[in-house]
Amino acid sequence: EPEVTQTPSHQVTQMGQEVILRCVPISNHLYFYWYRQILGQKVEFLVSFYNNEISEKSEIFDDQFSVERPDGSNFTLKIRSTKLEDSAMYFCASSEESAGGYGYTFGSGTRLTVV
Amino acid sequence: DQQVKQNSPSLSVQEGRISILNCDYTNSMFDYFLWYKKYPAEGPTFLISISSIKDKNEDGRFTVFLNKSAKHLSLHIVPSQPGDSAVYFCAARNFGNEKLTFGTGTRLTIIP
Repeated sequence: EPEVTQTPSHQVTQMGQEVILRCVPISNHLYFYWYRQILGQKVEFLVSFYNNEISEKSEIFDDQFSVERPDGSNFTLKIRSTKLEDSAMYFCASSEESAGGYGYTFGSGTRLTVV
Repeated sequence: DQQVKQNSPSLSVQEGRISILNCDYTNSMFDYFLWYKKYPAEGPTFLISISSIKDKNEDGRFTVFLNKSAKHLSLHIVPSQPGDSAVYFCAARNFGNEKLTFGTGTRLTIIP
């Protein structure tokens, strides 16, 4: 079964450093997403991406965050200057259609720890 | 932001019995509701969804019920199996938006 692949599975970074989280969505999917889950809290939407541009973003997704689909297969989330409160599990997801009742396919996540 | 709430953080059910997971929402603009299952160290896995124009959707052992007047949905799993032990999230989508709003999850434990 096709899957969404995320690398690395765990990243530790110093506060203030830039970090790039990588995702390979399912190949025929057109819609891409990033979500995060801070330990013990709910899964939160960050951003959706379609047709090479951001289609929707949350208030969490401020100027420190950016997304890119550099080569037609990878989808990346960059945090420019990490803060302690950015420590969370980051999930990439993709879907073939605009996410109505079909749900997304999520990756296994990248655990980001900012120290 | 408590638009989607799962008031039971955990639930234990005997194998073979029915598991009922509940979810309440406050935003009347939600038009699609979804249930996801999550195992440790994995991403959420889509289980079943329901449109706001329906009140029931069934897929094998899983049935989702929607009560729009009460702003309540539930997921029924019959019969419950040990592999169903996981955290279950309900999620909702606002018409015209891409984002899903998730609840806090309910940890379901199936007792053999």
